[in-house]
Amino acid sequence: GAVVSQHPSRVICKSGTSVKIECRSLDFQATTMFWYRQFPKQSLMLMATSNEGSKATYEQGVEKDKFLINHASLTLSTLTVTSAHPEDSSFYICSASNPRDRGNYGYTFGSGTRLTVV
Amino acid sequence: AQSVTQPDIHITVSEGASLELRCNYSYGATPYLFWYVQSPGQGLQLLLKYFSGDTLVQGIKGFEAEFKRSQSSFNLRKPSVHWSDAAEYFCAVGARSGGSYIPTFGRGTSLIVHP
Repeated sequence: GAVVSQHPSRVICKSGTSVKIECRSLDFQATTMFWYRQFPKQSLMLMATSNEGSKATYEQGVEKDKFLINHASLTLSTLTVTSAHPEDSSFYICSASNPRDRGNYGYTFGSGTRLTVV
Repeated sequence: AQSVTQPDIHITVSEGASLELRCNYSYGATPYLFWYVQSPGQGLQLLLKYFSGDTLVQGIKGFEAEFKRSQSSFNLRKPSVHWSDAAEYFCAVGARSGGSYIPTFGRGTSLIVHP
C-alpha cells in the first residue's frame, strides 16, 4: 500500500531558530499533500494544502510566513517552522493524496513529528 | 461546511467486550466517511471508509461501521475488543475539493481497555 515517510519524528530546537519537517511519498506520486497540527488530546487541525509546483493554500488563522510550505516535487513536501517559539510546540502530521489512484480515496498519513521549542 | 461530532471523549471497556464508538456528521451532500486510529505519538491509520453502496462497511483489525443517513451517523463497532485496540479513534468526513477529498476530523475518542 501507499507509504508516507515523515522526518524527523522528534525534534527539539531553541527558541528563535527554524525547523524543517519533510514529508515524502515513497511509492506513489502525491499531487496534493496536507499539513496538520495536533494539540494534546485534540483533533487534527488542517494548516495548509500544498499542490506540487504551486503555492500552498493556508487555512484561516495560519501564518504563512511562519509556516513555510514547499512542494517542489511529486514525492516531497516540506514544512519549515520559522523563528520557532514555545507556543509552536506541537505534533505535526502530513498526509498525501493521489487523485489518480482510484483505489485509495482516503489519505495516507505520515507518522508525525513532535516539535518541542525550548 | 462539513463537521463531525464524536460525543464521547473517553470510552472504557473490558477486554473481550463489544465496542461502539459514536460519530455524527453534518454535510450537505452524500458524505465520504472515514474512521482512523492513532496510537500514541504516531500518525493515523485508516480503519475503513464509506463512499457508497452497502451501508455496513468492513475494515481492518475486525472493525466495522454502519452508515445511517437518517441519523447522520457512522458508528464504529467491534464485537470483541483486544488490549492492543487501546488508542485514539478519529471519525472524519471528506469534502471533495478539486481532485482531492479534504477530511474534517472529529475531536477523537480515547479508547481504554481494561484487562
